[in-house]
Parts: sequence; C-alpha cells; structure tokens
Amino acid sequence: EPEVTQTPSHQVTQMGQEVILRCVPISNHLYFYWYRQILGQKVEFLVSFYNNEISEKSEIFDDQFSVERPDGSNFTLKIRSTKLEDSAMYFCASRRGLAPRETQYFGPGTRLLVL
Amino acid sequence: KQEVTQIPAALSVPEGENLVLNCSFTDSAIYNLQWFRQDPGKGLTSLLLIQSSQREQTSGRLNASLDKSSGRSTLYIAASQPGDSATYLCAVRPPEAGGTSYGKLTFGQGTILTVHP
Repeated sequence: EPEVTQTPSHQVTQMGQEVILRCVPISNHLYFYWYRQILGQKVEFLVSFYNNEISEKSEIFDDQFSVERPDGSNFTLKIRSTKLEDSAMYFCASRRGLAPRETQYFGPGTRLLVL
Repeated sequence: KQEVTQIPAALSVPEGENLVLNCSFTDSAIYNLQWFRQDPGKGLTSLLLIQSSQREQTSGRLNASLDKSSGRSTLYIAASQPGDSATYLCAVRPPEAGGTSYGKLTFGQGTILTVHP
C-alpha cells in the first residue's frame, strides 16, 4: 500500500540553525500538508499546499517557515532560524482530492530537537 | 473557531472488553471526521473516515458513529486486545466555504488506551 515517507526520522540542531524536513507524498496525491505536535499537546495544522503554492496557513506558520515542492515528488518544510519552541514532531500528510470521502494520509514524522 | 475535545483522556481496560471513546466538536458544520491511531513516538494511522452525510462506519472490530447536530462522534472497539493499546485521535475537517479550506484537520487531544492481558 502506498505511504507517505519522511526523512530524517530524528534531527537535532542548534538554536538559530536552518533545518529542512523532507517528505515524499503518495504519488497520485495533489494536496499536501505539514502539521506539528509538541510533546504532550495536540496535533496542530501548519500549512497546506496545492498546485505549487500555499493554499492555507496557520498563525504558527510565520516568516521563519517555508515550504517547497522542488522536483514533483519531494515536499519540504524549511525552518530558517530554529528556536527552542520549534522542538516538536513534524508530520507531513497528503490527500488525493478534496471530496468528502478522501482520507488524509500521514507520514511517520520527523522528531526535531532544538538545543 | 473549531475546538475538538476527547474524553476520557486515558482508559485502562482488561483484554476482551468492549469500549467507547468519545469525541466532541464545537462547530457542527464539518465536512468529515477521521479517527486515527498513534503509537508512541510514531505517525498517525487512519482508522475510519465518516462523511458528514453518514451516521456510522465500520472496519473489523471498530465502529465509528457521527451525530453532527450534537457535535459528537464515538469510536466503539469490540473485544479489545493488548495490541489495541495506543493513543486514539479524532480530527474534523471544515466545510469548503468558498474554496478557502483545503482539507486541513483540527485534532482533539486524544485518548490513551491501555489494554492489559
């Protein structure tokens, strides 16, 4: 069964450094998402991406964040200058279409630790 | 703003019991609702999706119901097994109002389920 994959599974970085989290969505999916989950808290929506542009973003998704689909298969989340509070599990998700029967599929996550 | 609440926060049951997990949402205008399973430190596995026009969905020992008007969904697990131990999350998707929503999900806090042998 096709699945969403994410790399790396874990990343440790120093505060102020840039990180890029990578995702490969399911191949025939058109809608892509990033969510995060701070330890012990709810999964929170960050951004949705469709047709090579951001379609919706949350208040969390400020100028430090950016997303890109550089080559038609990868979908990346970049954090320009990491802060301690960016430490979280980051999930990528994808969806084939927007019909009400369409399931959103999640990747296994990247655990980011900012020191 | 949509808020999703799940009760109980944690549940511990002996193997073989039938159990019910609850999810409530403040805005009844939803497009669909998904139940997910999350194992410790892992990703989210989709269990069931109920469209707003549906009342329930079944998959094996799992049955999810939806009462949109009262803002509630339940996940029923029959004959629980130790392998069912995980966190169960519900998530709602808002309606496509003028094309301004592209399928984002709003999650509850989850119910941590432990099934002991």
